Order: sequence, then structure tokens, then C-alpha cells
Amino acid sequence: KNQVEQSPQSLIILEGKNCTLQCNYTVSPFSNLRWYKQDTGRGPVSLTIMTFSENTKSNGRYTATLDADTKQSSLHITASQLSDSASYICVVKRGGSYIPTFGRGTSLIVHP
Amino acid sequence: DTGVSQDPRHKITKRGQNVTFRCDPISEHNRLYWYRQTLGQGPEFLTYFQNEAQLEKSRLLSDRFSAERPKGSFSTLEIQRTEQGDSAMYLCASSYRGQGIGYTFGSGTRLTVV
Repeated sequence: KNQVEQSPQSLIILEGKNCTLQCNYTVSPFSNLRWYKQDTGRGPVSLTIMTFSENTKSNGRYTATLDADTKQSSLHITASQLSDSASYICVVKRGGSYIPTFGRGTSLIVHP
Repeated sequence: DTGVSQDPRHKITKRGQNVTFRCDPISEHNRLYWYRQTLGQGPEFLTYFQNEAQLEKSRLLSDRFSAERPKGSFSTLEIQRTEQGDSAMYLCASSYRGQGIGYTFGSGTRLTVV
């Protein structure tokens, strides 16, 4: 069964600290993986997209990694800011399908 | 063009009423998707259009749900005889074939059925 599991479900950190969010997937065959940030009451906004051959991709303070062998991805946030408080969703697309598989997201709260 | 627009942003309706939501995709995007998202969950796929053709509708939640994209531009999602369980955020996304999963989401329509 094609699934995307994210951990932790929620996370609270202090402003300025780093954190890492995890995404494990069983989707096969793999096409690409994307991390989204979703602010409360808003639609998801894409942070990064990674294909099979990419191991690391950065977008400002966000760095995503992908290990296609172990089917794991992580999103590392550096020097967190209050505006990073949001849900972070991992989405994996299966080759040959236009319906991606969404994870449930990790809810991140950054406290001052 | 400022992205994917959805209207209304919020809708409160009484149980049993019909509601219709509109989505205006990015103009050059030929693919349009509807999703539903409930609290604490990721978006759930509902249906998909390529131009005006609805290529996937088996995931629509029931026969009370229907979607159209008559001219391959904007799309509407209608829910007939709403139920309290329909309360959710309804998201629209668009993409251009050839860009993989280059989704751009709208801000969504929050539906509350009372």
C-alpha cells in the first residue's frame, strides 16, 4: 500500500533553534517528493521538490534530504523563526500516477 | 496573474442546502485538482481535470459531489444536500503538464455546515 508517514506529529521549539522533520514512504515506483508548508487556514505552499537522483536541496533556511534506498526524507529548519510555525506536509508522487500521496503533516510551533 | 484563486474563502450553510465553490487556476496551467482537508489531516484527493476533461472522479466522496471545468479555465465544485460531515477545507490546485508535481494550491474554501 502506498503510504507516507511523518514524524513527529507535533513539535514545539524555541525561536532560533534548529529542528528536523521526518518523512518515511512506501510509495512505489517513486517519482518525486515535495515538502509543503501550510499556515493555519491557508493552502499549502511548496518548499522543495526532489527527484530520485537528488540527495539534498535547500531553500533558504530549509534543507531537504532524500534517501531513495531507505525511502526516507527529512526537512531541516535552521535558526527557526516565529513565522515557521505551521504544518509541514510531505507529498510523494508515484511514477505513472497523477494522484500524489500526502502525509498527515508535522505541526511545528515556534515559541519566542 | 497572482496564483490560484478560490471563492468564497469561507462558507457557512445549513444542513441540506447546496453549495458551490469556484477555483480560478493559474492561467497557463492546464491541470486542475480538487482536494478536501479536515483538521489534522493531509489533503485528500477528490477529482482532476486536464483542460476541460475530468479524467478522474472516482474519488469524489459521494454522488452529492460534482465538479465542472466547462471551458478548461475556472472550475466549480458543488456539494448537494450538505451534511455536517462535509465541513472541511476544500482546496484547489493547478499545474502544467510537463512540470511533474508542480502544484500551486489556492488558499482554500472553509465550509461549515450547521
